[in-house]
Amino acid sequence: QVQLQESGPGLLKPSETLSLTCTVSGFSIYSSYYWGWVRQSPGKGLEWIGSIYDSGDTYYNPSLKSRVTISVDTSKNQFSLKLSSVTAADTALYFCARQGGSSSYLDSWGPGTLVIVSS
Amino acid sequence: DIVMTQSPDSLAVSLGERATISCKSSQSVLSSSNNKNYLAWYQQRAGQPPKLLLYWASTRESGVPDRFSGSGSGTDFTLTINSLQAEDVAVYYCQQHYTPPTTFGQGTKLEI
Repeated sequence: QVQLQESGPGLLKPSETLSLTCTVSGFSIYSSYYWGWVRQSPGKGLEWIGSIYDSGDTYYNPSLKSRVTISVDTSKNQFSLKLSSVTAADTALYFCARQGGSSSYLDSWGPGTLVIVSS
Repeated sequence: DIVMTQSPDSLAVSLGERATISCKSSQSVLSSSNNKNYLAWYQQRAGQPPKLLLYWASTRESGVPDRFSGSGSGTDFTLTINSLQAEDVAVYYCQQHYTPPTTFGQGTKLEI
């Protein structure tokens, strides 16, 4: 059974870069699935950030594309999110999840990690 | 982006009764090539991540009780929960995955 777990700093200052890693267990990340990031904030609800395939092909939400980088490390069965130049608007609960397609439904989720941006 | 609008924002239903949640998309999410509606439903209990309940508008995810059912096509969809149980207290979201970027409804809070 696939399990996902997010990790990374929970507190950032404005203009810093958010870096999160999702560790996948019980399932090979090198499979016919996509691996995505979603965030949840009180103001904007659930927002899909982007996804990556095991080949390294990436798909980003246009609203965040200029600041987002998603990468994969198949040797560690992990994928990562970087979001640059964060502001208070990026404060949210960040989830990693498995997707059936580049922008598909998400069938397995990590528990989420709270990231707060504050000076 | 396709805008997903759910109604109501919240509702209270008695135990054992039926709950109905509506989801409308600003554009059709029905594919003419495979006749599938690219619409999913999620349940999010307090302090937990969303859990996939239904995809293709009406296909239940493995392990989801048959009390949960989905219907609709094109731009109008419904999630129905029969014989409401205490464990069904949660926020429910719809999601379209027809046109990137995938987008979610604002959520419907279900209470007993």
